[in-house]
Amino acid sequence: GAGVSQSPRYKVAKRGQDVALRCDPISGHVSLFWYQQALGQGPEFLTYFQNEAQLDKSGLPSDRFFAERPEGSVSTLKIQRTQQEDSAVYLCASSLGDSGNTIYFGEGSWLTVV
Amino acid sequence: GDSVTQMEGPVTLSEEAFLTINCTYTATGYPSLFWYVQYPGEGLQLLLKATKADDKGSNKGFEATYRKETTSFHLEKGSVQVSDSAVYFCALRDLYGGATNKLIFGTGTLLAVQP
Repeated sequence: GAGVSQSPRYKVAKRGQDVALRCDPISGHVSLFWYQQALGQGPEFLTYFQNEAQLDKSGLPSDRFFAERPEGSVSTLKIQRTQQEDSAVYLCASSLGDSGNTIYFGEGSWLTVV
Repeated sequence: GDSVTQMEGPVTLSEEAFLTINCTYTATGYPSLFWYVQYPGEGLQLLLKATKADDKGSNKGFEATYRKETTSFHLEKGSVQVSDSAVYFCALRDLYGGATNKLIFGTGTLLAVQP
């Protein structure tokens, strides 16, 4: 498609359940970012890929969060043993290169942990 | 570390009113500055950007000037419309401060324009 695509758009998980969120970046985009946006807040950086290499994971809040991009295109953000504080919108974004290019965002995956 | 501070909302205006949303930043390097907009039910969209001091970004009637002396990037529009109702995010990207080229966002300002 023309834009960044994320799935599922909405996910309700029971506390303790594992979830996987998928991101399809714009075709040919080298850089891929994951952000977490809590209700009423701005997006917070989680992790960054350049092709298949995860160059920065400094924003991942705990070792329950794991991201991968094995072939340098589609990425998956996995959250293990979900907790209520994980409830947020998870945004994926991509850009053509690693500097100066516009970053395009997907519509997000809304995760609610009950 | 780098950060962005923007005025809290909500900002409620009547149609055709003048809009200002304040944004200030701190950065160790030479950041590029951005305004993103999030319309209801949609993803973040780039509204405008400026890459160096004194640059003015503009789009859809919105403007913001990169002011290094005041570390500010205030968003302005001369006459708002109901369709401008959205959440506006100020952000920076510091490509030369030794950090990943990630965007750092403010907390967002909700704008509600009444007819």
